[in-house]
Amino acid sequence: TQLLEQSPQFLSIQEGENLTVYCNSSSVFSSLQWYRQEPGEGPVLLVTVVTGGEVKKLKRLTFQFGDARKDSSLHITAAQPGDTGLYLCARSQGGSEKLVFGKGTKLTVNP
Amino acid sequence: DAGVIQSPRHEVTEMGQEVTLRCKPISGHDYLFWYRQTMMRGLELLIYFNNNVPIDDSGMPEDRFSAKMPNASFSTLKIQPSEPRDSAVYFCASRQTGGSRFFGSGTQLSVL
Repeated sequence: TQLLEQSPQFLSIQEGENLTVYCNSSSVFSSLQWYRQEPGEGPVLLVTVVTGGEVKKLKRLTFQFGDARKDSSLHITAAQPGDTGLYLCARSQGGSEKLVFGKGTKLTVNP
Repeated sequence: DAGVIQSPRHEVTEMGQEVTLRCKPISGHDYLFWYRQTMMRGLELLIYFNNNVPIDDSGMPEDRFSAKMPNASFSTLKIQPSEPRDSAVYFCASRQTGGSRFFGSGTQLSVL
């Protein structure tokens, strides 16, 4: 199993601050997905990145896929309490349906 | 569409009892997945089905776990007998070929 390491594990910030969370692997992956999971709910897909160096924006969220396709980052600008949740990255294993998830970054945005 | 529907939302049982978790995927989705989430191990795939046929059950922890999908609109995950270490949140997800995964709200299982 090719592991995904996410950092930081926990992050607590004030509303309006910017933040970046990271997802790293020791091996190259063909694509990477980012999910957000709110308390008591299942993960919801935010974005899929495929091309090395790719940058995707979703309102205040910016996702970047590393040039070597071994890492990815999620940057949130002017965080809001509604951004609170567990942010998970996931990669497919061997092109199969088996998504391997990182353990996530638990983000708390305080008003 | 109502999304992926799981029941029950919460289950508390005693060690040794049989537990059955249920899932109704989104209509038209041909893949169904069962995941387990714990603090220690994160989100792990247990088994997945394609067109009601189990494709990969290598994530099922042991023989106490079994899953069925008798038709395109229903699946069950059964644990018999249950043990305290099975306590976790169990998620069902579905997707259409070429589409994204949609997760249910999960079943919080506590085995005492």
